[in-house]
Order: sequence, then structure tokens, then C-alpha cells
Amino acid sequence: QSALTQPASVSGSPGQSITFSCTGSSSDVGSYNLVSWFQQHPGKAPKLIIYDVNKRPSGVSDRFSGSKSGDTASLTISGLRAEDEAIYYCCAYEDRVFGGGTKLTVL
Amino acid sequence: QVQLQESGPGLVKPSGTLSLTCAVSGGSISSRNWYNWVRQTPGKGLEWIGEIYHSGTTNSNPSLKSRVTISVDKSKNEFSLKMTSVTAADTAVYYCAVAANGLDAFDVWGQGTMVTVSS
Repeated sequence: QSALTQPASVSGSPGQSITFSCTGSSSDVGSYNLVSWFQQHPGKAPKLIIYDVNKRPSGVSDRFSGSKSGDTASLTISGLRAEDEAIYYCCAYEDRVFGGGTKLTVL
Repeated sequence: QVQLQESGPGLVKPSGTLSLTCAVSGGSISSRNWYNWVRQTPGKGLEWIGEIYHSGTTNSNPSLKSRVTISVDKSKNEFSLKMTSVTAADTAVYYCAVAANGLDAFDVWGQGTMVTVSS
């Protein structure tokens, strides 16, 4: 049960679109459409923003979108805002395995 | 709306046993959900510890399985985590989490509780 691979950090300017990657294997990300994404602000619990690769829970902005190709899942944030600055984690739910997280800095 | 609340000692001695409880409110722990423990070590990512169904069936992370026991108390609507032989590497924020709304994802989390392993 290896952790999914995420880049340590990304940065972008307000208004831009930014994409995060999450790489697993054919036995987790590649096998199931059960990839979810979480946003975590400092001192807070993770918040679910994407599930089943590309679905948004009620109340989550449509600026967040997800996709998957092969063993790699992606999260895109469009129209970047200052409040999007956080750490983003992916998760392959079937295997209960998380990525190491990507810290987003809004310049 | 299901809510989760962790509780337990914030300090545990090395080689001791970490014990935490997660109280479930706004719903019955006997609903068709798997209740989970997830931890986050300082400066690092999230790690799934294990899960329990109301029937008592459990699954655990293979890397922690030998030290972890998860139990459920339906009368108190809560579930618990015990982790034995702890070391400084087990210092972390411990969360309980559940896929509460029919989603295949952890959509409800507790606020987390910090546990430090130190003498």
C-alpha cells in the first residue's frame, strides 16, 4: 500500500488556472474511478472537494474540477483566489491510500 | 448531518498505548458506514490507520496492523482506536472520518486531536 505521488508545491497568481497531479498505479488510481481530493487549511481538518474522480459535493465551487487518465488523476482550480491557498491531497478510496499532498501558494 | 468528535490523552509515553475515542452524533453508528481513523504526522501527509463496521468487522493498514485495535460501542454511538508500543514516530494529529452520505469518499471528518509521544 504505497502512497500516491503528488508534487510538493505549486504556485499561481489570482485568476489563473492551476492543475495538480496525483500518480498511483494500475492497482489503485488506474483500477477504480474512486479518486477523491481534499483541501486542508492550516489547523483544520481536510475538506472533501472532489469524489469519484470528477464529482463535487454539494456546496463546493464549480471552480474545482477533477479528471483521470490512466494511473494519474488531476485536480484543476480555475479562477484562482487567495482563499484557495492550502494543501491539497488526493486519495484512492478503494485502497484507502492518500497522496503526500501539494501545497498551493497563491502569489 | 453526521458529526464526529475525537477525544483522548494528548500525551503518551514511548512504548505505551495510545487510546482515542470518536463520538458519532447526528446519526447512528449502526448505519451502513465504515468508520475510519486517519492520522497526519507533523509536516507530512495523511495516513489511513484502519476502519470498523458496526458489526465489528475491521480492516487496518498493513504497516500498522500488528499494533492497532479498532472497536465499536453501539450503546455509546462511538468507536475507538488503540495503538500499542508507540514511538515518537506515532506523534500526529489523529482524525476520525466516515463516508457518511453514500459517497465513496471520506466526506465527514472530526476536528482532529493531537497526540504527542514523549517521556
